[in-house]
Amino acid sequence: EPEVTQTPSHQVTQMGQEVILRCVPISNHLYFYWYRQILGQKVEFLVSFYNNEISEKSEIFDDQFSVERPDGSNFTLKIRSTKLEDSAMYFCASSGGLLLPQHFGDGTRLSIL
Amino acid sequence: TQLLEQSPQFLSIQEGENLTVYCNSSSVFSSLQWYRQEPGEGPVLLVTVVTGGEVKKLKRLTFQFGDARKDSSLHITAAQPGDTGLYLCAGPTQGGSEKLVFGKGTKLTVNP
Repeated sequence: EPEVTQTPSHQVTQMGQEVILRCVPISNHLYFYWYRQILGQKVEFLVSFYNNEISEKSEIFDDQFSVERPDGSNFTLKIRSTKLEDSAMYFCASSGGLLLPQHFGDGTRLSIL
Repeated sequence: TQLLEQSPQFLSIQEGENLTVYCNSSSVFSSLQWYRQEPGEGPVLLVTVVTGGEVKKLKRLTFQFGDARKDSSLHITAAQPGDTGLYLCAGPTQGGSEKLVFGKGTKLTVNP
């Protein structure tokens, strides 16, 4: 069964450094998402992406965050200058259409030191 | 703000028992999705319920969407240790948004 894949599974970064999280969505999906889950808290929406542009973003997704689809298969989340509070699991998801079910990857655990 | 409240937060039962977990909101949702998440992994989609009053079955799991589309339940019959995990409900926010709002989940442990 097709699945969303994310790399790396764990990223440890010094505070203030840039980090790029990578995702390969399901191949025929058109909508892409990033969510995060701080330890012990709910899964929170960050951003949605369709047709090569951001379609919706949350208040968490400030100027330090950016997303990109650099080629036909990858979808990335960049955090420009990481903060301690960015430590979380980051999940990529994709769906085949607006309001169709979203399928999640296994996440990247980001640890900021 | 649309919120999803799940109960109970924790549930520990013996193999073979039946259980029901709940997902409630004061807001109407166009659909609700149930996911199961295991430690260190992403949420895995189990089912989507769309129509008020809808019942969907997935082997020993029965999902129901409330008539008013504000609540949902998951019933597991004859639970097995392999059912252990965090069960999450999620739904799209109003106005055709793609953003999913999640409940905090029910952490289920099925003891052999």
